[in-house]
Amino acid sequence: GAVVSQHPSWVICKSGTSVKIECRSLDFQATTMFWYRQFPKQSLMLMATSNEGSKATYEQGVEKDKFLINHASLTLSTLTVTSAHPEDSSFYICTKTPGSKRTQYFGPGTRLTVL
Amino acid sequence: TQLLEQSPQFLSIQEGENLTVYCNSSSVFSSLQWYRQEPGEGPVLLVTVVTGGEVKKLKRLTFQFGDARKDSSLHITAAQPGDTGLYLCAGGLNAGNNRKLIWGLGTSLAVNP
Repeated sequence: GAVVSQHPSWVICKSGTSVKIECRSLDFQATTMFWYRQFPKQSLMLMATSNEGSKATYEQGVEKDKFLINHASLTLSTLTVTSAHPEDSSFYICTKTPGSKRTQYFGPGTRLTVL
Repeated sequence: TQLLEQSPQFLSIQEGENLTVYCNSSSVFSSLQWYRQEPGEGPVLLVTVVTGGEVKKLKRLTFQFGDARKDSSLHITAAQPGDTGLYLCAGGLNAGNNRKLIWGLGTSLAVNP
């Protein structure tokens, strides 16, 4: 099946710093991608949806200036958590959808811990 | 607001027991997916059901999509410790190019040896 990678797999940073998370589709071109965050033993919370070449659509309550999404190419997208605070500590997961298909392929997730 | 109610939220059983997880909604979905997630990893797709009344089997797991495509169930027979994990259901909406999934809150399953 399709492979989606995320980097880094985990990151620890100080409060106030910015963290960039990369999401790559290794064997397909993704026209649509989703970013989720997940708290321990809880379900996925959709943060934003983006299509290649256009601005991301953020879910209600998600600050677009804090969570910057760049879908620069069909294989690479990034999520930057700006001025991170401890409450931003979470598990961030990207998913990608190739072409016209509806199947979503999940990345392995990035564990962010803000001290 | 479209909601997908998943129950139970937590389940702790002994090895060998059977269990069923339910996902219910007032919305009609074009498809419904079940995922299993282990700690520190992304969800892994188990199955996708698209037809009302459809039943799919994956070894000891049986998935059913309701006739009206508003609900689904996951039944595990003779659970094993390896089945432990977070089970998530997600409904797909057939709205143009919208591929957004509506997620259940998850069922945390612990199978004790």
